[in-house]
Amino acid sequence: DTGVSQDPRHKITKRGQNVTFRCDPISEHNRLYWYRQTLGQGPEFLTYFQNEAQLEKSRLLSDRFSAERPKGSFSTLEIQRTEQGDSAMYLCASSPGDRVGANVLTFGAGSRLTVL
Amino acid sequence: GENVEQHPSTLSVQEGDSAVIKCTYSDSASNYFPWYKQELGKGPQLIIDIRSNVGEKKDQRIAVTLNKTAKHFSLHITETQPEDSAVYFCAAALYSGAGSYQLTFGKGTKLSVIP
Repeated sequence: DTGVSQDPRHKITKRGQNVTFRCDPISEHNRLYWYRQTLGQGPEFLTYFQNEAQLEKSRLLSDRFSAERPKGSFSTLEIQRTEQGDSAMYLCASSPGDRVGANVLTFGAGSRLTVL
Repeated sequence: GENVEQHPSTLSVQEGDSAVIKCTYSDSASNYFPWYKQELGKGPQLIIDIRSNVGEKKDQRIAVTLNKTAKHFSLHITETQPEDSAVYFCAAALYSGAGSYQLTFGKGTKLSVIP
């Protein structure tokens, strides 16, 4: 197991374009999280999946953002009509489904978005 | 919602000295407090965590203390080494009832260990 994988590692786009990020969690983890991290700040919660069900969404997740986890394995985060304020590191994390380890998050290296 | 304050924002120590990072939280219902280390170009990595029913936890050179009454918790690193240089984040979490612990992070402390 290679941990949580994210792709691409860096995306540069022009304002108004759509971008999509992919996250492959640790294979036996059924919980998957997306966080956003801006420069000099801690990560901020965006959304959370239990298997394929999206159970929580932060108010930070505007209607331009959509996340999916269609088969309960990998997840995608799409941002439509990007704005300069969307520039950030998008972090994916996963955790085990059992009660004991449910709160231990393993993060990926992140996908850095730069909107010009 | 939860608010986590972290101090200091930067910390420089000589190799071999101790480093202490402090955090306060606002929601008395929070019950899980992890610490993450983030190196350049990498995602945060869990280094130690503590639950609200425990006052102190130690793992080799790293220890965390929790004061529930005062709503603050601290990370202590002893015998610091150059490889301890990184950004450290504290977080507080409350079991949300939907099956997840939603973490609220502090703004981070950049630790530099000077050889």
